[in-house]
Amino acid sequence: DQQVKQNSPSLSVQEGRISILNCDYTNSMFDYFLWYKKYPAEGPTFLISISSIKDKNEDGRFTVFLNKSAKHLSLHIVPSQPGDSAVYFCAASWVAAGTASKLTFGTGTRLQVTL
Amino acid sequence: DTGVSQDPRHKITKRGQNVTFRCDPISEHNRLYWYRQTLGQGPEFLTYFQNEAQLEKSRLLSDRFSAERPKGSFSTLEIQRTEQGDSAMYLCASSNRDPGTGELFFGEGSRLTVL
Repeated sequence: DQQVKQNSPSLSVQEGRISILNCDYTNSMFDYFLWYKKYPAEGPTFLISISSIKDKNEDGRFTVFLNKSAKHLSLHIVPSQPGDSAVYFCAASWVAAGTASKLTFGTGTRLQVTL
Repeated sequence: DTGVSQDPRHKITKRGQNVTFRCDPISEHNRLYWYRQTLGQGPEFLTYFQNEAQLEKSRLLSDRFSAERPKGSFSTLEIQRTEQGDSAMYLCASSNRDPGTGELFFGEGSRLTVL
């Protein structure tokens, strides 16, 4: 049961243009959402997050949008740079009684920023 | 380097053998997580420690898997009687905050290949 879905396995964008990466989730209990970036042969690194009480969070070139009614979030990268080429994972978490809060990851979207 | 370190980076073994992976988290982090990532998938939660206590294990963690974190410092993940389906990247992550509100710091992973 894939609770966090990234339906686009890959995306190619020209340098300087906007990259939009999408993520859908099914579990309405999720209350925190994160994006991680992964380069080859490295572990994922945290990029940006958003609480379910917000609909937008911005950090420099990166903005995450959350649409709770649609159970959808997106990551916008503007302007895209060649160094942004990586695999991007969407992740979500919630705290259930008696359990640890842990991240559930999507399958990732490979972003290629071309010159 | 004060990041999360994992050893070995790559392990090739024959089916039926036992393997052990080690993770050294960031020193002040009391939370430690193990995740597994297979090709084309996102990281999947395996188990979680808070200090030396193993507080949660995923159903993915069969009886052949065991994890320890003696003294709340480094952690080991042992797989007994390895199977080809165990081939994956095993990721360790640490944090000093709830992952829903704070980032997880991942190591570079230990790649297991079972022949």
